[in-house]
Amino acid sequence: ETGVTQTPRHLVMGMTNKKSLKCEQHLGHNAMYWYKQSAKKPLELMFVYSLEERVENNSVPSRFSPECPNSSHLFLHLHTLQPEDSALYLCASSQDGVTEAFFGQGTRLTVV
Amino acid sequence: LAKTTQPISMDSYEGQEVNITCSHNNIATNDYITWYQQFPSQGPRFIIQGYKTKVTNEVASLFIPADRKSSTLSLPRVSLSDTAVYYCLANGYGQNFVFGPGTRLSVLP
Repeated sequence: ETGVTQTPRHLVMGMTNKKSLKCEQHLGHNAMYWYKQSAKKPLELMFVYSLEERVENNSVPSRFSPECPNSSHLFLHLHTLQPEDSALYLCASSQDGVTEAFFGQGTRLTVV
Repeated sequence: LAKTTQPISMDSYEGQEVNITCSHNNIATNDYITWYQQFPSQGPRFIIQGYKTKVTNEVASLFIPADRKSSTLSLPRVSLSDTAVYYCLANGYGQNFVFGPGTRLSVLP
């Protein structure tokens, strides 16, 4: 248990569905991150929020929409995904961007 | 954000010491060097962090030479459960955690 909780752990969705991934941390951190990890590939940084403001968006398609309502919660809203979007989606938090990043267990997403 | 280079894979046997070296030639003055471990279908987990010289904790040691252009993660007496991907990062305050391909360590019986 790292202090970062992601739900759901597994998700299967059709290409026309809309779903949301949730991440929650109560570590008092001020930065939160979304990563995508496809099979046997490195982690890809998708979005960064610092003090609840989005500070980085690494050319992620608009079918992925992040939301950070407060410093403890981060969402990733999904709509009209493609099969190639199937991956492990990881959330992380940190205090200052250099000391330890804490990762959640991830959501295994399958798009059918 | 300094680019890091590590071996793609390494093999070892149980009980051996494993040393994984990371190159970060363009490391900035304010960058710290951090190593993470990742098991399949899990998020990376922090192992150790240092700025210079040597750092040791209960699971690993980190050696950083004076020029800081490289670092070596040392895992003493590995076991099968140490089979994982190990990532080296060099980043400073306010920067993001950008992970490279890492080193896939396989520990054999």
